[in-house]
Amino acid sequence: SQTIHQWPATLVQPVGSPLSLECTVEGTSNPNLYWYRQAAGRGLQLLFYSVGIGQISSEVPQNLSASRPQDRQFILSSKKLLLSDSGFYLCAWAGTGFYEQYFGPGTRLTVT
Amino acid sequence: EDQVTQSPEALRLQEGESSSLNCSYTVSGLRGLFWYRQDPGKGPEFLFTLYSAGEEKEKERLKATLTKKESFLHITAPKPEDSATYLCAVRSLLGGATNKLIFGTGTLLAVQP
Repeated sequence: SQTIHQWPATLVQPVGSPLSLECTVEGTSNPNLYWYRQAAGRGLQLLFYSVGIGQISSEVPQNLSASRPQDRQFILSSKKLLLSDSGFYLCAWAGTGFYEQYFGPGTRLTVT
Repeated sequence: EDQVTQSPEALRLQEGESSSLNCSYTVSGLRGLFWYRQDPGKGPEFLFTLYSAGEEKEKERLKATLTKKESFLHITAPKPEDSATYLCAVRSLLGGATNKLIFGTGTLLAVQP
């Protein structure tokens, strides 16, 4: 069966510090991968998606970036965090030819 | 522009009191409507996919239905463990090979014993 992992689970970072969140998927190959941010009381905002290694598309201009160095690894990064980057970050995967997305446990990021 | 609107924003039920959650959508060619359950501090859990008007899916006390403009999530005789935020999402023709989903803001359901 497929499993998706995210770490860390929670993170508190000062403004201006770098960020690296990691997502890995097990039990599938060549998945579509997604990064979302969920603000309190709001829906999921798609940040980045990837259909293959090294292929990243950005949905929202911001100071975040994403990379996919391996087939089942997706990384969300920032060089300098802003207060507005605080939120709940979710990684999701979908199988090729299937529409359902399956989410990881999420990372709670607080920028102070 | 594809849009998803969920109502009500919050719903409080007594245990055993059946009700429905609404998800209305405007998309350019529906290619799937999805329901998720999200518990506090956790990632959304997939519940159902509906593809065409008239389709219904059931799981325990939950039944999802779909029309050309909206979907309903019916909760029959809910229990306190059904308390969660329920999210609706759509995939449109514009989603293409990337399988992008558009999410609503969710309905927060609280079931009191």
